[in-house]
Amino acid sequence: DIQMTQSPSSLSASVGDRVTITCQASQDISNYLNWYQQKPGKAPKVLIYDASNLETGVPPRFSGSGSGTDFTFTISSLQPEDIATYYCQRYDNLAQVTFGPGTKVDIK
Amino acid sequence: QVQLVESGGGVVQPGRSLRLSCVASGFIFSTYGLHWVRQAPGKGLEWVAVIWSDGSNKYYADSVKGRFTISRDDSKNTLYLQMNSLRAEDTAVYYCARVIGLSRMDVWGQGTTVTVSS
Repeated sequence: DIQMTQSPSSLSASVGDRVTITCQASQDISNYLNWYQQKPGKAPKVLIYDASNLETGVPPRFSGSGSGTDFTFTISSLQPEDIATYYCQRYDNLAQVTFGPGTKVDIK
Repeated sequence: QVQLVESGGGVVQPGRSLRLSCVASGFIFSTYGLHWVRQAPGKGLEWVAVIWSDGSNKYYADSVKGRFTISRDDSKNTLYLQMNSLRAEDTAVYYCARVIGLSRMDVWGQGTTVTVSS
């Protein structure tokens, strides 16, 4: 089974800071990688799909990059409403899915 | 508007069964694959199962394989999750989600809570 790791597990940053989260797959997953934001008590929301594509309606301060086993998610300028937990998610050609453990983002 | 609404959660004893439903509206239900994803209290997201748009393929997480069954009724725009032999570790909020192709889950329900306890 392909395992997903994320780092850091949590971070605190100031408003306006650049925030970077990494996600690593235990095997090559090409670009089969999505990023989700989950706020407390809410369902997750997709932000980035296929590693680097911005979901419609998502602010451009969110971005993603990477392929193979190493992926990066970036918030270019952290806003108060970005406080949430962020998950990477890999999928395969059968639509089977694995989520990363999540990264909790707080305001310093 | 495009919407998924789960129901059927509750408190159930270990070893018993429960069936969750997810009713869709605002889109052509039969053309989309659908997932169940769960989240135990204070924990991360865990994928449970997927069913393809034509119902021909269903896949499960190892943790639920042989106990849970995903199904769909396109005439009722409804997705189901039959959960048998429930365990304490199945306690979670269960979400249904629409999938675009094989890739991203772009529409999610609000979740329904399942508590397995004696």
